[in-house]
Amino acid sequence: QVQLQESGPGLVKPSQTLSLTCTVSGDSFVSGAYYWNWIRQPAGKGLEWIGLIYLSGSTNYNPSLKSRVSISVDTSRSQFSLTLDSLTAADTAVYYCARSNTWSHAFDIWGQGTMVSVSS
Amino acid sequence: QSALTQPASVSGSPGQSITISCTGTTSDVGGYNYVSWYQQHPGKAPTLIIFDVNNWPSGLSNRFSGSKSGDTASLTISGLQAEDEADYFCSSYSDSGTLLFGGGTHLTVL
Repeated sequence: QVQLQESGPGLVKPSQTLSLTCTVSGDSFVSGAYYWNWIRQPAGKGLEWIGLIYLSGSTNYNPSLKSRVSISVDTSRSQFSLTLDSLTAADTAVYYCARSNTWSHAFDIWGQGTMVSVSS
Repeated sequence: QSALTQPASVSGSPGQSITISCTGTTSDVGGYNYVSWYQQHPGKAPTLIIFDVNNWPSGLSNRFSGSKSGDTASLTISGLQAEDEADYFCSSYSDSGTLLFGGGTHLTVL
């Protein structure tokens, strides 16, 4: 059974860079049938898609965040990572990693989420 | 790139049916049959309940059903149960390969 687990700091200072990693257990990571996504949710608000990466390393980002975001993949460790720079309080949110399939683009498996606060 | 539009809240009594709408544009909901719906209970990650407009993940309750007309997709929950009280989000594939979410709808079971 595939599971996703986010890891990273819970508190980051304004203007700094956030780095989060998602570790994937199960054999679907090396399958070409999936995209690997980052999604965030501020407290009490809706979901915002941040971006995705394919195993080949090709990426696609939310245009509103594109200038500050980078997603990378490490297939040897079954991990993919998010980097978000120039942080402000507006980036405070629960960050989820999620798998989507290439034929329907539905997010079928989610991590439990990790809370990130941006504060001095 | 704007979020999809959902009503902020809906409510219904046990046993009744409710419908939640999700309105986009021809660049997303109207242009692709890649609309999915998610249920989220407080403090939990979302779970997929409908994909490709009207398909269920295996093992999921068929009390949930989806449809689409033009630029608006809909989620219908029949036979409301107390455990259906949650937030519901729609999502759609859009031009340039990006993904959009709706703002979310809170369902109250009276």
